[in-house]
Amino acid sequence: DAKTTQPPSMDCAEGRAANLPCNHSTISGNEYVYWYRQIHSQGPQYIIHGLKNNETNEMASLIITEDRKSSTLILPHATLRDTAVYYCIVRVGEFYFGSGTKLNVKP
Amino acid sequence: DVKVTQSSRYLVKRTGEKVFLECVQDMDHENMFWYRQDPGLGLRLIYFSYDVKMKEKGDIPEGYSVSREKKERFSLILESASTNQTSMYLCASSLGGWENTEAFFGQGTRLTVV
Repeated sequence: DAKTTQPPSMDCAEGRAANLPCNHSTISGNEYVYWYRQIHSQGPQYIIHGLKNNETNEMASLIITEDRKSSTLILPHATLRDTAVYYCIVRVGEFYFGSGTKLNVKP
Repeated sequence: DVKVTQSSRYLVKRTGEKVFLECVQDMDHENMFWYRQDPGLGLRLIYFSYDVKMKEKGDIPEGYSVSREKKERFSLILESASTNQTSMYLCASSLGGWENTEAFFGQGTRLTVV
């Protein structure tokens, strides 16, 4: 049970911000939201995670709505190397991956 | 640099063979996971382990078993390989304390059963 819903694909122009949405309407109070990405033929790579506050690191920003039912991953200046499948995961205990969003960054 | 290492990148086995997929992590992590990844199905959890000699079934444990005799090593066993087990297999590890720790993944083993 992945517990998250993401659009199957999105396009973004190189140099622009990529905003990837995720719905997790059944999230519980102690469940964190994690984001991973997977570039073709590689293992998934951790990006960021958060509980209820917005988070930022060197890769991305995570915006979580006040009711925690949805979140958005922001890549501030997308590059061609950011083309990947992005997974939003709600976690307590083990990690369950859904189908993710295929982000296509175009020149 | 953190590391999760899977023993083989590519593997070809025959139907009915017993297959061992090995995973080693050097981060002293308590938790380890095995996933398989198939086109259109995403990553599906097969088994995970909280600690040495402990294991829990994931979503699709049928046809698989696991072994965790040492903290750093988590093995996935296909008792009698079948063609529908042809897949990409991914191992991951994370610290204990569940909620607030990220998992690190290996590069995957692409298994073909012929």
